[in-house]
Amino acid sequence: QSVLTQPPSASGTPGQRVTISCSGSSSNIGSYTVNWYQQLPGTAPKLLIYSNNQRPSVVPDRFSGSKSGTSASLAISGLQSEDEADYYCAAWDDSLWVFGGGTKLTVL
Amino acid sequence: EVQLVQSGAEVKKPGESLRISCKGSGYSFTSYWINWVRQMPGKGLEWMGRIDPSDSYTNYSPSIQGHVTISADKSFSTAYLQWSSLKASDTAMYYCARLYYYDSQGAFDIWGQGTMVTVSS
Repeated sequence: QSVLTQPPSASGTPGQRVTISCSGSSSNIGSYTVNWYQQLPGTAPKLLIYSNNQRPSVVPDRFSGSKSGTSASLAISGLQSEDEADYYCAAWDDSLWVFGGGTKLTVL
Repeated sequence: EVQLVQSGAEVKKPGESLRISCKGSGYSFTSYWINWVRQMPGKGLEWMGRIDPSDSYTNYSPSIQGHVTISADKSFSTAYLQWSSLKASDTAMYYCARLYYYDSQGAFDIWGQGTMVTVSS
């Protein structure tokens, strides 16, 4: 049971916009910023979004993040086949890092 | 190029000891915390703990503390994750990751390629 709650799966067709939610509590998302990671099959995770809504320079602007209260979300617009991956949210929780259980995104 | 390079896959028996490594290059190794993240087969990411390579100060997840030891040798720009007595449940992929302070909490901006540890009799 992960501290942060994500839907186990999500799907969309090429070109569509999909969102992935991440729900936490006052001790993590409610108090600290949220980061998102993308894990392509068989590879190490990669930083996608930091500080709730900031993108590293190498990440396309199709990816965006937001946070409100104790929840956060990741949006992917103009969905592409190469976006098929597992996505994880993460936040600091007083004395440790916590992750969501991950959402497997399928591009139909 | 900034990178973390981990040691190779390991196959061990229950009760054996093991140390895996994570070598940083392309940046000042002592300026950034190194974190260890576990991913059991088919499962999600789990933070295990972290070390400040400048002084070897460590933090552990309560669920992990006592079972592993995180250490670092700044002269070799290398962090380590060590077990004294492996269990079958330690079978997992282990990643090291650098914490970069974009804000007051930071994010894991650089990840190692992972070390697969298999524990089986």
